[in-house]
Amino acid sequence: DTGVSQNPRHKITKRGQNVTFRCDPISEHNRLYWYRQTLGQGPEFLTYFQNEAQLEKSRLLSDRFSAERPKGSFSTLEIQRTEQGDSAMYLCASSLQGSVEQYFGPGTRLTVT
Amino acid sequence: KQEVTQIPAALSVPEGENLVLNCSFTDSAIYNLQWFRQDPGKGLTSLLLIQSSQREQTSGRLNASLDKSSGRSTLYIAASQPGDSATYLCALGGANNLFFGTGTRLTVIP
Repeated sequence: DTGVSQNPRHKITKRGQNVTFRCDPISEHNRLYWYRQTLGQGPEFLTYFQNEAQLEKSRLLSDRFSAERPKGSFSTLEIQRTEQGDSAMYLCASSLQGSVEQYFGPGTRLTVT
Repeated sequence: KQEVTQIPAALSVPEGENLVLNCSFTDSAIYNLQWFRQDPGKGLTSLLLIQSSQREQTSGRLNASLDKSSGRSTLYIAASQPGDSATYLCALGGANNLFFGTGTRLTVIP
């Protein structure tokens, strides 16, 4: 395990369907972050976990979004009742507590048709 | 709210040229500043990290500077190569997350 992994890499779904993405951080990292990146923009922070605790959520994280990290290892991000505006790249990053450097995964590209 | 601006949005240069990418920000109360590289459809690769107490960092052909008082950072790339073609993002480190600019898309022409 040499880096952050995300699955799936691509997801195409129809509007109104639910989708779930998975992120596996670097094994010893206890902090995990989710970001969203739309076309032509920089990533925007969604939420972060320290171990299993979700400590901060952005206003971008509407009620249709939920993130979990039940055992303090991998995390899932679920979007319910997807909308076309949810189409974006969803990036996951991890870091060690006390370290400022975040390591990013390859992202999951979501297309809502 | 932190706002991060990157100029230019796109840049095309011939191979071998030296170039400078700019990043400006509105809130100087930052923990650090990072420069990332993003290839099309891919995740982010960290290039350089400057702590808030530092003025610059160097790695190979890359040099990044930070001037908190003026709210500016630059990324200098020496002797550009076609493999440097990518989008370059600067990100300001807050307490628990990163604030990104919109990026500069660099094309190095062979």
